[in-house]
Amino acid sequence: QKEVEQDPGPLSVPEGAIVSLNCTYSNSAFQYFMWYRQYSRKGPELLMYTYSSGNKEDGRFTAQVDKSSKYISLFIRDSQPSDSATYLCAMSATSNYQLIWGAGTKLIIKP
Amino acid sequence: DADVTQTPRNRITKTGKRIMLECSQTKGHDRMYWYRQDPGLGLRLIYYSFDVKDINKGEISDGYSVSRQAQAKFSLSLESAIPNQTALYFCATSDPRQTEAFFGQGTRLTVV
Repeated sequence: QKEVEQDPGPLSVPEGAIVSLNCTYSNSAFQYFMWYRQYSRKGPELLMYTYSSGNKEDGRFTAQVDKSSKYISLFIRDSQPSDSATYLCAMSATSNYQLIWGAGTKLIIKP
Repeated sequence: DADVTQTPRNRITKTGKRIMLECSQTKGHDRMYWYRQDPGLGLRLIYYSFDVKDINKGEISDGYSVSRQAQAKFSLSLESAIPNQTALYFCATSDPRQTEAFFGQGTRLTVV
């Protein structure tokens, strides 16, 4: 079993919909949780970063961490075609700060 | 200019050939990484370096070697390329806590 599980999709939704992307993990030592966005033929770029539990909001994006369930989510409100990309979750523990990556979910927003 | 620059962007090579992928960064970070990305498998760490004298194997280092020529330069070599090394390769750099990793544009390598 992988340390971080993420459904690769693709996930296809209509423009304007609320999108929910998720990752589960098994290592309770993870404290740093990140979401990266990767457009086609580009490198990943950091989208959201959360330390420990709770929510973080940035514009149309909200990141949630539920450490009791070992589950993290990224919500996108009022989704736009420009949000079409692959979204990767990543996490690390304070013991070594080594990033562990999910497989990435391909998101398609249909106009 | 990009924070992390990879060369070449695309490369086709034959089985058994030696190939080097180069990476340079302008972020001033000590930590640098090489990943490969395959469909459905996400990013897998090949090698990482915490500074010029500290190089470590990642989860899939077999068949690869690296050289850290300077703080800003980190190259990846395939000593004898094989077809299952066909993949998208990314170089990255980060601060010590990896709160943000900066990636290059990637090198698409095809081994025929």
